[in-house]
Amino acid sequence: AQSVSQHNHHVILSEAASLELGCNYSYGGTVNLFWYVQYPGQHLQLLLKYFSGDPLVKGIKGFEAEFIKSKFSFNLRKPSVQWSDTAEYFCAVNIRGGADGLTFGKGTHLIIQP
Amino acid sequence: GAGVSQSPRYKVAKRGQDVALRCDPISGHVSLFWYQQALGQGPEFLTYFQNEAQLDKSGLPSDRFFAERPEGSVSTLKIQRTQQEDSAVYLCASSLPPYNEQFFGPGTRLTVL
Repeated sequence: AQSVSQHNHHVILSEAASLELGCNYSYGGTVNLFWYVQYPGQHLQLLLKYFSGDPLVKGIKGFEAEFIKSKFSFNLRKPSVQWSDTAEYFCAVNIRGGADGLTFGKGTHLIIQP
Repeated sequence: GAGVSQSPRYKVAKRGQDVALRCDPISGHVSLFWYQQALGQGPEFLTYFQNEAQLDKSGLPSDRFFAERPEGSVSTLKIQRTQQEDSAVYLCASSLPPYNEQFFGPGTRLTVL
């Protein structure tokens, strides 16, 4: 079975700082990778996804992530964060070609200080 | 509606009561998923339907939990004889194969007293 680990459970940054949230997965086969965000009081929303092709994917609100197959990683980045980026961020994976459920990491609670 | 909807949004149950949680997926979405999210944790997979067929129920924590989707659209997650450890947010998601992007509903927050 696959698993996902997110290294930082709580991150506090000031506005305009750069962001990188780590995500590693364990699975020997081919996977689809996702980052979801949950803003306070709202439901989970997809930030970006990787299925195949260019390992650098761009999502909404200026976020991007890079899939590094050799490191089993899919880290999320944003060059300059805003106060409105305060939220919970979840990395998730499922097996490519299978219509199975997502395996999520435990999440990273990001707080942006104005 | 345009998104996945769930009802009720909040449910308080006394220990031992049965509860039923409803999910309305995005119209036309073939796949439907249920997840359980405990406080401070990521969502955990419970079960998956493709149309009315329940293809995977490996994540259901006990035989007190079961789910159905009799007509391939609306789904109900039922928990019998609720226990305090069942307190969590229950999330529903739907998707349209061959894409694996899942769209989530707002969740039902279940509190068992």
